[in-house]
Amino acid sequence: KNQVEQSPQSLIILEGKNCTLQCNYTVSPFSNLRWYKQDTGRGPVSLTIMTFSENTKSNGRYTATLDADTKQSSLHITASQLSDSASYICVVAPMDSNYQLIWGAGTKLIIKP
Amino acid sequence: GAGVSQSPSNKVTEKGKDVELRCDPISGHTALYWYRQRLGQGLEFLIYFQGNSAPDKSGLPSDRFSAERTGESVSTLTIQRTQQEDSAVYLCASSLRASGRSSYEQYFGPGTRLTVT
Repeated sequence: KNQVEQSPQSLIILEGKNCTLQCNYTVSPFSNLRWYKQDTGRGPVSLTIMTFSENTKSNGRYTATLDADTKQSSLHITASQLSDSASYICVVAPMDSNYQLIWGAGTKLIIKP
Repeated sequence: GAGVSQSPSNKVTEKGKDVELRCDPISGHTALYWYRQRLGQGLEFLIYFQGNSAPDKSGLPSDRFSAERTGESVSTLTIQRTQQEDSAVYLCASSLRASGRSSYEQYFGPGTRLTVT
């Protein structure tokens, strides 16, 4: 069964610190892996999209990595800001569908001043 | 340009009533998705529209749920005889083309928060 699991479920860090969020998936074969940021009360916003052949992709202070062999991805946030408080969702697109996406449950990140 | 819009932003209804939720996708986007998100949980796929093709309704949880889309424009999600377990945020997303293996981005609306009392 295609699944995407994220850890930790929630995380609290101090402003200015770095953090890394984890994503493990069983989707195989897969086409691409995405990370979304969802602020409270808003819809998700795309941060990065990586194809199966990419190892890393950055978007400002966000850097996503992908290891297709171990079926793991991580999202690293550098020099966290209060505005980074949100849920971060890992999403995997199976190769056998041109529109289906497998969504993780998300990691709730809280940045404290 | 304008993003995806949804209305109403909040809806409180009594159990047993019907509700209709609306989604206006980004102009020119052929693909449209509806998702449900219960409090503290991940997104749950409901239905997918692509142009004039038959929609994928495989995610609709019961026959009380239905959705329509006219061409590549507005979509409505209707829930009949609402139940308390229908309480959730209903999110709509659109993308230029099918947003799966093609890597097209999905753009989300702000959602409709439905509360069934």
